[in-house]
Amino acid sequence: AQKVTQAQTEISVVEKEDVTLDCVYETRDTTYYLFWYKQPPSGELVFLIRRNSFDEQNEISGRYSWNFQKSTSSFNFTITASQVVDSAVYFCALSEENSGSARQLTFGSGTQLTVLP
Amino acid sequence: DTEVTQTPKHLVMGMTNKKSLKCEQHMGHRAMYWYKQKAKKPPELMFVYSYEKLSINESVPSRFSPECPNSSLLNLHLHALQPEDSALYLCASSQDLGIMNTEAFFGQGTRLTVV
Repeated sequence: AQKVTQAQTEISVVEKEDVTLDCVYETRDTTYYLFWYKQPPSGELVFLIRRNSFDEQNEISGRYSWNFQKSTSSFNFTITASQVVDSAVYFCALSEENSGSARQLTFGSGTQLTVLP
Repeated sequence: DTEVTQTPKHLVMGMTNKKSLKCEQHMGHRAMYWYKQKAKKPPELMFVYSYEKLSINESVPSRFSPECPNSSLLNLHLHALQPEDSALYLCASSQDLGIMNTEAFFGQGTRLTVV
């Protein structure tokens, strides 16, 4: 069965610090997709990135970067020069090719990031 | 337009009331989802619709009744709820159940309080 672990429940940083959110996953499939979503206090889950299991290239998008390592089953997310607006709950999620008849997202428990001014 | 719109944003209802949550998307997505999220927990899948047909029901109690009148709309009818059903109800859509390389878009949710 698939599983996503976000060991960091809460993280607090001061503005402009870099912060890394950890995500470790378990799956028996060779084909799977990993996601990061941001959930601000307003409630909406905002899609940040999708990665398939065959693409281990790291990605950078502005202040955001992702490090995908199949060898350690990790898909970590780094925010560089954090800002107060980055404060939110961040979820890592996994979707397997053989997850049955539907594309189900298995979410991690989330990491509450607080960026202090 | 990458928006999923949910109404109402907030709902307070008594245990004997009947109410409905609504979700709408105009992205041409053929898969739509209902999730339930309790405070400080990740979203939990409730229902999945594919091409307006119910594809998955995650053993949800019958007091929750989903409906997909057309490809753009998804409703969740509520009846005789319990206080423990109070949660954030999130709607999502994705291009197609059979296409893996696509993300799900979520609405802002309805914060439901059952009194």
